[in-house]
Amino acid sequence: GENVEQHPSTLSVQEGDSAVIKCTYSDSASNYFPWYKQELGKRPQLIIDIRSNVGEKKDQRIAVTLNKTAKHFSLHITETQPEDSAVYFCAAIERFQKLVFGTGTRLLVSP
Amino acid sequence: NAGVTQTPKFRVLKTGQSMTLLCAQDMNHEYMYWYRQDPGMGLRLIHYSVGEGTTAKGEVPDGYNVSRLKKQNFLLGLESAAPSQTSVYFCASGPRAREQYFGPGTRLTVT
Repeated sequence: GENVEQHPSTLSVQEGDSAVIKCTYSDSASNYFPWYKQELGKRPQLIIDIRSNVGEKKDQRIAVTLNKTAKHFSLHITETQPEDSAVYFCAAIERFQKLVFGTGTRLLVSP
Repeated sequence: NAGVTQTPKFRVLKTGQSMTLLCAQDMNHEYMYWYRQDPGMGLRLIHYSVGEGTTAKGEVPDGYNVSRLKKQNFLLGLESAAPSQTSVYFCASGPRAREQYFGPGTRLTVT
């Protein structure tokens, strides 16, 4: 089955800096890659996603890139703000209709 | 429109006790999922359902059972709770596998 690895596990940045979180996946048949944000004590919420026929997608300060050949995808947050502090999860959709999640990255944005 | 709700929000069990967690959604979603979230391990799929009357095993199904007798409800049962089942449990539902909406979570402690 699909296996998703996520790095780093923790990431500390100063407000205004950029943050990059990277994930790799194992199943070349996976074709959908969402990113979820989970604030402390809250539920995970979808923030952006990308399909395998697209190389990059942007939504204001966040963007996701996908390299199908290398089987990795990344989340980029520019001009980070304290409210970006949260745990971020990447995921890949496994061929049998299941999402497989990475282990999460705790992002801390210091003022 | 309440979205995805979970009952109860918190529960403390003694080893060997049983309980049922209820997930309810009012969005007429076909797909429903149960995950557990443990520190450093991300979200791991326990069981899922692709429609009323169907269930399937996920990544960590041992010690849990599920039922989907009604389309809007997905029940997770623990027949004999163990300390290893201490976790935060999230339910999710969606119209398709790639579109999942999470409930608020249930924090379960087994002593």
